Amino acid sequence: EIVLTQSPGTLSLSPGERATLSCRASQSVGSYLAWYQQKPGQAPRLLIYGASGRAPGIPDRFSGSGSGTDFTLTIDRLEPEDFAVYYCQQYGSSPPDFGPGTKVDIK
Amino acid sequence: QIQLVQSGAEVKKPGASVKVSCKASGYTFTTFGITWVRQAPGQGLEWMGWISAYNGNSNYAQKLQDRVTMTTDTSTNTAYMELRSLRSDDTAVYYCARVNGAVSAANYWGQGTLVTVSS
Repeated sequence: EIVLTQSPGTLSLSPGERATLSCRASQSVGSYLAWYQQKPGQAPRLLIYGASGRAPGIPDRFSGSGSGTDFTLTIDRLEPEDFAVYYCQQYGSSPPDFGPGTKVDIK
Repeated sequence: QIQLVQSGAEVKKPGASVKVSCKASGYTFTTFGITWVRQAPGQGLEWMGWISAYNGNSNYAQKLQDRVTMTTDTSTNTAYMELRSLRSDDTAVYYCARVNGAVSAANYWGQGTLVTVSS
């Protein structure tokens, strides 16, 4: 099984700042990496698929990059609604497990 | 619009079974699969498995495969997840989500169903 590690565990930032979240896989997943946003009491929402493709309706301040084992989610100019938990998920092989998450909270 | 609407919250005793439903609308049900993901209180997301709505093929997480069964009813565009021999650590919010295949990102999610296992 492929294990995903996310860092940092918590990221404390102010609105308007840039957030950089990391996801590392224990072995290559190619570009089969997705990012999700989850707010309290809500279902996850797909942000990024294929490592860098934005899902429909996702603002362009969200961008994904990377391939193989190292991936990054960047959120430019944090908006108040962006403070949430972010999960990566690999779907290069079964089981398509999730990382432990990064919480982005208000500084 | 595409919607996945799940059944309501459940409270079960240890050893019992639970069956959660997920009714799909707004797309051709048999063109996609359904994955189930759960989230224990305050914890992360755990992939439980997947079922094809086209042919019923399924793939379950190894730790759950002896206790979980996923099915679909194409006449009502509904997917089901049954979990047996419930334990307290099965207490979680259970989500269904639409996927393109067995190993795929999930682009539409149900609202979640809280299953509480308590004596």
